[in-house]
Amino acid sequence: QKEVEQDPGPLSVPEGAIVSLNCTYSNSAFQYFMWYRQYSRKGPELLMYTYSSGNKEDGRFTAQVDKSSKYISLFIRDSQPSDSATYLCAMTKGGADGLTFGKGTHLIIQP
Amino acid sequence: DAGVIQSPRHEVTEMGQEVTLRCKPISGHDYLFWYRQTMMRGLELLIYFNNNVPIDDSGMPEDRFSAKMPNASFSTLKIQPSEPRDSAVYFCASSSTSGGANEQFFGPGTRLTVL
Repeated sequence: QKEVEQDPGPLSVPEGAIVSLNCTYSNSAFQYFMWYRQYSRKGPELLMYTYSSGNKEDGRFTAQVDKSSKYISLFIRDSQPSDSATYLCAMTKGGADGLTFGKGTHLIIQP
Repeated sequence: DAGVIQSPRHEVTEMGQEVTLRCKPISGHDYLFWYRQTMMRGLELLIYFNNNVPIDDSGMPEDRFSAKMPNASFSTLKIQPSEPRDSAVYFCASSSTSGGANEQFFGPGTRLTVL
């Protein structure tokens, strides 16, 4: 079993829909959780960063972490075609360690 | 700031040849990471440096891979000899502990094809 599991998709939804993306993990030592967005043939860019459990909101994006269930989510409200990309969850134990990534979910927003 | 700079952007080489990938981190960042991305395995950490010193190289696949960071503004990842299974996109990322741990900024990647 990989340390971080993520459904690769593709996930296709109509413009304006609420999108829910999620990851599960097995290592209870993970404390820092991130979501990266990656467009085709580009490097990943950081979207959201959360420490420990709880919610964090930034514009149309909300990140949730449930450490008791080892489950993290990213919600996108009022989805736009420009949100079409691969979304990668990432996590680490602490400090400035290297990140452990999920394999990414390919999201398609249909105009 | 120009962001993380990687060169070359694309590299095509033949099996057995030496390959050198280059990275310039964001100025002032004290951490540098090398990752590899494939369809099968996703994005995997190879090695990372703090203040030019290698901290964790447990992700380096085998002795054919080596990485150096001779100064704060330059790092190389070398594969010698290269094999077809090394074909992947290699990313360099940097971060600053003063700016928030683990907010890593990625470069555009080097797409390596080994024939």
